[in-house]
Amino acid sequence: EDQVTQSPEALRLQEGESSSLNCSYTVSGLRGLFWYRQDPGKGPEFLFTLYSAGEEKEKERLKATLTKKESFLHITAPKPEDSATYLCAVPLNNNAGNMLTFGGGTRLMVKP
Amino acid sequence: DTEVTQTPKHLVMGMTNKKSLKCEQHMGHRAMYWYKQKAKKPPELMFVYSYEKLSINESVPSRFSPECPNSSLLNLHLHALQPEDSALYLCASSQDQGYGEKLFFGSGTQLSVL
Repeated sequence: EDQVTQSPEALRLQEGESSSLNCSYTVSGLRGLFWYRQDPGKGPEFLFTLYSAGEEKEKERLKATLTKKESFLHITAPKPEDSATYLCAVPLNNNAGNMLTFGGGTRLMVKP
Repeated sequence: DTEVTQTPKHLVMGMTNKKSLKCEQHMGHRAMYWYKQKAKKPPELMFVYSYEKLSINESVPSRFSPECPNSSLLNLHLHALQPEDSALYLCASSQDQGYGEKLFFGSGTQLSVL
């Protein structure tokens, strides 16, 4: 069964304290792994798509990496405005098209 | 314009009411989605429309009825809901329904059923 698991569920960091969020997946024939950011009461905002092991993408203080079993979202020198829930998602391996299944998310809190 | 607009932002309804949620996008996307999100949980897929036709229904109860009047609009008609249906309802769109297409989400409608 296709599964996506994120850890930790919650993470508290001091401003400037770098860390990583994990997304583990068990999907045969990965067709893309997505990272989204979600602020309270808002819809998810697209960050990155990764397609193959070894691929990396960066945006400001965020860098996403992908292996054959997991993806990491590295946050370098975070700021309070980086506080949000970070979701990873993969398309289910079926013939129905773009059905994303989301992990449970990591709630990140960055304190000044 | 890279926005998906959802109205209303908040909705309170009784269990006997009929209401509708609306979603609009002008990005020329041909796939549109409804997701349901409970507090502190990830979004769960409800429906997918591709080229204005319903392509995926994730075994959603019939008290939720989707409609896609045209390629820019998506509605979700609500009738005889239960308190456990209270959630954030998210609309999303993508270029098409192909694998790897990124989804653009609206801000959602926060629904409370009394």
